[in-house]
Amino acid sequence: EVQLVQSGAEVKKPGESLKISCQGSGYNFTNYWIGWVRQMPGKGLEYMGIIYPGDSDTRYNPSFQGQVTISVDKSIATAYLQWSSLKASDSAMYYCARRARVDSWGQGTLVTVSS
Amino acid sequence: DVVLTQTPLSSPVTLGQPASISCRSSQSLVYSDGNTYLNWLHQRPGQPPRLLIYKVSNRFSGVPDRFSGSGAGTDFTLKISRVEAEDVGVYYCMQVTQFPYTFGQGTKLEIK
Repeated sequence: EVQLVQSGAEVKKPGESLKISCQGSGYNFTNYWIGWVRQMPGKGLEYMGIIYPGDSDTRYNPSFQGQVTISVDKSIATAYLQWSSLKASDSAMYYCARRARVDSWGQGTLVTVSS
Repeated sequence: DVVLTQTPLSSPVTLGQPASISCRSSQSLVYSDGNTYLNWLHQRPGQPPRLLIYKVSNRFSGVPDRFSGSGAGTDFTLKISRVEAEDVGVYYCMQVTQFPYTFGQGTKLEIK
């Protein structure tokens, strides 16, 4: 069974850094793109970017370019989404999803940024 | 970016009755390989989205056959032949033809 398991909820202060994770299992992690999707409270879905674990080829939605970094450690089948300096507006639920088809989703990581 | 516009944004439906959601794209979603990469997703409250339909009309594994997708070019439709209680939630169309991938605003399906 294909599974994506994300790290737990985070509460951070503005200006702090954060790295959340998404671990894949049940399939060859290296061969499938992994994307990140943001859902702000009560809002719709926004596609942030995508990474190919095989060679770390990464593409960012221009709306998120420079705001976040997507990375991967294929040795542990894990993709990451990180911020160097969080803002209150980064408070949202973040999902990882497999490939462009988004055929499998993580359970979501709730990030709360508040002073 | 490709803009996807869904209608209606809210749809009250009687159990057992059909429902239909439209998704219109600001540009053709036909890719250079001839395929059209339009997905439909369903999100129940408090849960992650799940894939229903990919490439316009292909039902994903485990999706009931009361769900069907159709369309071409810039106009697409998701139909539910007979709405069941478990179908409540928000439905999104999503294009993965052109990066950045984009979603429609979502259509909230609720039971009358």
